[in-house]
Amino acid sequence: DAGVIQSPRHEVTEMGQEVTLRCKPISGHNSLFWYRQTMMRGLELLIYFNNNVPIDDSGMPEDRFSAKMPNASFSTLKIQPSEPRDSAVYFCASRQGQGWGEQYFGPGTRLTVT
Amino acid sequence: DQQVKQNSPSLSVQEGRISILNCDYTNSMFDYFLWYKKYPAEGPTFLISISSIKDKNEDGRFTVFLNKSAKHLSLHIVPSQPGDSAVYFCYAGGTSYGKLTFGQGTILTVHP
Repeated sequence: DAGVIQSPRHEVTEMGQEVTLRCKPISGHNSLFWYRQTMMRGLELLIYFNNNVPIDDSGMPEDRFSAKMPNASFSTLKIQPSEPRDSAVYFCASRQGQGWGEQYFGPGTRLTVT
Repeated sequence: DQQVKQNSPSLSVQEGRISILNCDYTNSMFDYFLWYKKYPAEGPTFLISISSIKDKNEDGRFTVFLNKSAKHLSLHIVPSQPGDSAVYFCYAGGTSYGKLTFGQGTILTVHP
């Protein structure tokens, strides 16, 4: 298996622009997680899907952020409009099952908003 | 409110010695804990886990200890190797509490 795939790997955009990050989980995994890593706050869970349904989105910072999972093999995280403080590395992770256990992380998308 | 804290932002150890990374948590509903390792420009990778029914779990050079009364866990790496140099994240969750929480991370540097 190719592992969790994220695209793009790097994104540079101007403040006010829409940004869409993409994730393909490992085939057969039914839980998907979006995280954000910053120097100040470390790794934060933004949203968690199970069987394509959002289970916990309490980590989504504000209405500018939205996430979708239209099917088991694809998810998007959208920021509209983007702001410089959104600059961070965004990770997608997936795992099989809803309970606890190991998550498999993608390589991350480094977002820079100027 | 930081429910999982790794109070040491960095740790430097000589090759062959023991590395001890610490993690404290405040939420008594956490009942499983994982350690992840992260190299630059890569996503975190799973290292070792422990559930609250145990106080120790060992996997090769890596051992995790859990002290529930102190709400403290630690990761021991013996012997430390230069390839262990990475950022280590402590991760906590609860089977009856949905919040999954990472610590801030500790940068481990193992010198040859």
